Amino acid sequence: DAGVIQSPRHEVTEMGQEVTLRCKPISGHNSLFWYRQTMMRGLELLIYFNNNVPIDDSGMPEDRFSAKMPNASFSTLKIQPSEPRDSAVYFCASSLMLWGAEYYEQYFGPGTRLTVT
Amino acid sequence: DAKTTQPPSMDCAEGRAANLPCNHSTISGNEYVYWYRQIHSQGPQYIIHGLKNNETNEMASLIITEDRKSSTLILPHATLRDTAVYYCIESVGNEKLTFGTGTRLTIIP
Repeated sequence: DAGVIQSPRHEVTEMGQEVTLRCKPISGHNSLFWYRQTMMRGLELLIYFNNNVPIDDSGMPEDRFSAKMPNASFSTLKIQPSEPRDSAVYFCASSLMLWGAEYYEQYFGPGTRLTVT
Repeated sequence: DAKTTQPPSMDCAEGRAANLPCNHSTISGNEYVYWYRQIHSQGPQYIIHGLKNNETNEMASLIITEDRKSSTLILPHATLRDTAVYYCIESVGNEKLTFGTGTRLTIIP
């Protein structure tokens, strides 16, 4: 199993540009999570999907951020327009949530390091 | 904000047992205790979880006090590859993980 795949691994962009981060979850998983990690705020959950449907987006910082999951094997996190304070490592994670199961291990990808200048 | 309290850093000699404490004074009855770790420049990795009973798997052991207000993650024979930040998390169903600042564990050769 290749694990959770994220692309690009590194992204450098100028303020005001659109940035799109991509994630391919583990095959067969039905839940997908986007996190952001900064030195100041640590690791924060931005949004998560279950069966391709957004369940909780309360962590999305503002309207400049949007996430989609058009199918079970692909998700994007878009920032438009980007700002320097968006610089962070963005992680995608996936899990298999089964009805009645007591826990769901989340598998994290390697992350995308975003730098906005 | 994270509800758990962990020491910011710890050292442990290679080959010895590493005992990482966590306080969760406001944990509710249906919340599990999860432990994840994050090795430098990698995504977090699940280690173990528990509700009331002590648990053991191939990576670690988890000791939960009877009142569930604290827990201890035990790495029985620490290696240099165990150097990482360790997060103790309370969650129902693991849907929303709130990561605190964790404990930075350094294994000393």
